[in-house]
Amino acid sequence: KAGVTQTPRYLIKTRGQQVTLSCSPISGHRSVSWYQQTPGQGLQFLFEYFSETQRNKGNFPGRFSGRQFSNSRSEMNVSTLELGDSALYLCASSLRQITGELFFGEGSRLTVL
Amino acid sequence: EDKVVQSPLSLVVHEGDTVTLNCSYEVTNFRSLLWYKQEKKAPTFLFMLTSSGIEKKSGRLSSILDKKELSSILNITATQTGDSAIYLCAVAGNAGNMLTFGGGTRLMVKP
Repeated sequence: KAGVTQTPRYLIKTRGQQVTLSCSPISGHRSVSWYQQTPGQGLQFLFEYFSETQRNKGNFPGRFSGRQFSNSRSEMNVSTLELGDSALYLCASSLRQITGELFFGEGSRLTVL
Repeated sequence: EDKVVQSPLSLVVHEGDTVTLNCSYEVTNFRSLLWYKQEKKAPTFLFMLTSSGIEKKSGRLSSILDKKELSSILNITATQTGDSAIYLCAVAGNAGNMLTFGGGTRLMVKP
């Protein structure tokens, strides 16, 4: 059974640009969550999607957005990139909406110059 | 605001030693506490503890939840070099799969 797949794995952008990250959950998993990991702040929750609807949102500015498609694949977008957006963005999937047992992907490492 | 604090920040031990990692939390509407292991990029699930399941064990790893003290410990006995990783503690409230993570404990096991 394939795990959570995230693309791209690495990317470099400059300030002011925008970026889109993609996540394919484990087959059959309908909940997809996104987390940002930085050395200073650790792992922080961005948002969660279930059945194409955003169910929860973390404390991030509106520049961070996401969506989920009917096949449960999810994308997140960050517009007007800032240096502080440099981070590892982790996607996690789970079978149900309320479980806590999350299966994480390898992440997308974003560097903003 | 939910909060999770882990200690120690880092730990260096030798193979065969036993280690105890600590996690304390403040959360509104506690539902569960989870432990994850992060070796390179992807955290992997270890345990989930709830009010109805306050003690879990898997091989050399075990964890206990103390709801009165709002804390948990993760024990690793007979450590191996493969146990070297960052161990993350997280809590879940009522908001779906939104987890609040602690800063992690970096464990290094030397041969």
